[in-house]
Amino acid sequence: ETGVTQSPTHLIKTRGQQVTLRCSSQSGHNTVSWYQQALGQGPQFIFQYYREEENGRGNFPPRFSGLQFPNYSSELNVNALELDDSALYLCASSLDLRVDTGELFFGEGSRLTVL
Amino acid sequence: GDSVTQMEGPVTLSEEAFLTINCTYTATGYPSLFWYVQYPGEGLQLLLKATKADDKGSNKGFEATYRKETTSFHLEKGSVQVSDSAVYFCALRGGSNYKLTFGKGTLLTVNP
Repeated sequence: ETGVTQSPTHLIKTRGQQVTLRCSSQSGHNTVSWYQQALGQGPQFIFQYYREEENGRGNFPPRFSGLQFPNYSSELNVNALELDDSALYLCASSLDLRVDTGELFFGEGSRLTVL
Repeated sequence: GDSVTQMEGPVTLSEEAFLTINCTYTATGYPSLFWYVQYPGEGLQLLLKATKADDKGSNKGFEATYRKETTSFHLEKGSVQVSDSAVYFCALRGGSNYKLTFGKGTLLTVNP
């Protein structure tokens, strides 16, 4: 069974640029969530995708957007990067929204640094 | 809105010591409660959970009891090991929500 994988693991961008982070969900999982974890903080919910549709969003501006593909992999896109976007971005998958137990399976994250 | 407050770290213990990490929450309705753990170099993983009042979650020698009257979900272990060194996160999911709300995390270091 393949776990959640994310890429890239580390990247550096400058303010104003755009970034795309990628996530492959665990085999058999159709629900993907994205979280932002700033240094010394707990993860903050960005949004969730179920069967290619966004079905929940946290308190993040529209320049944070995402996609989910037919194979349930996902992308997180951030436009017009700001210094405060520097964080660890975590992808999590779960089995199926319809039988959601609250257990999320997390990847190791993509660490974004904005200079 | 929902929130989770957990004990500030870092916590440093000797092997075989007793561990308590406090967690309290604020939520509307009847949330489910979780402890997630992040070992060095790994992703977050579920340690234990409880879905209703007075439920006790347990795993790997860790326990936590859902206390509605005190809105708490403290993590305990009777005898910690060096391999328990990690960051521990308390989290909740509101009654009709899909997202997890996390605390800030507590770094635990266990020395031999």
